Amino acid sequence: AAGVIQSPRHLIKEKRETATLKCYPIPRHDTVYWYQQGPGQDPQFLISFYEKMQSDKGSIPDRFSAQQFSDYHSELNMSSLELGDSALYFCASSLGSGAGPSYEQYFGPGTRLTVT
Amino acid sequence: LAKTTQPISMDSYEGQEVNITCSHNNIATNDYITWYQQFPSQGPRFIIQGYKTKVTNEVASLFIPADRKSSTLSLPRVSLSDTAVYYCLVGPIYNQGGKLIFGQGTELSVKP
Repeated sequence: AAGVIQSPRHLIKEKRETATLKCYPIPRHDTVYWYQQGPGQDPQFLISFYEKMQSDKGSIPDRFSAQQFSDYHSELNMSSLELGDSALYFCASSLGSGAGPSYEQYFGPGTRLTVT
Repeated sequence: LAKTTQPISMDSYEGQEVNITCSHNNIATNDYITWYQQFPSQGPRFIIQGYKTKVTNEVASLFIPADRKSSTLSLPRVSLSDTAVYYCLVGPIYNQGGKLIFGQGTELSVKP
């Protein structure tokens, strides 16, 4: 079965640079979520989109922005990177239209971002 | 969203049954209980979800007492590959945006 695809899998950036992470949800899934997991930390919700509209926002820094496109893929744009942004970034997708419990999210393999 | 409390870590041996209990004293009427599993450097994976009594699937069982203030994830006959962090999440299943709020999970270590 198709899974959530994230690219790139690994990314190394320097401080103050920008980064763009991409997420391709499972086909027919209309909701995308972004989570950040720092070293030794639990995943933290950043932002979510349902049918290309932002549906919820968590602890996402103002330096970050995201959007969901017409083909339902999503991109997380990160600017003015800081050392503390080094983390695993997970994208998850689900059917948000009521076809199943919204808590059943399918996570991608993650993008490991290292800021030096 | 209801606050959850789980043991920080647990040890077990292959072939044993493991029970991880989660406390959620302020669970609301429309809240469901969901468990996720996470292996190192991988995304969390949905295990099981329930509202009351007992739910069983091919991976685990979830026991929820009548007062729903706690729940127990039961993993039968664990193997080394069950070594992971297990998260208990409590909230309405149609919460706005469906975001998952992860608290501190239970790090299960299965030994040979």
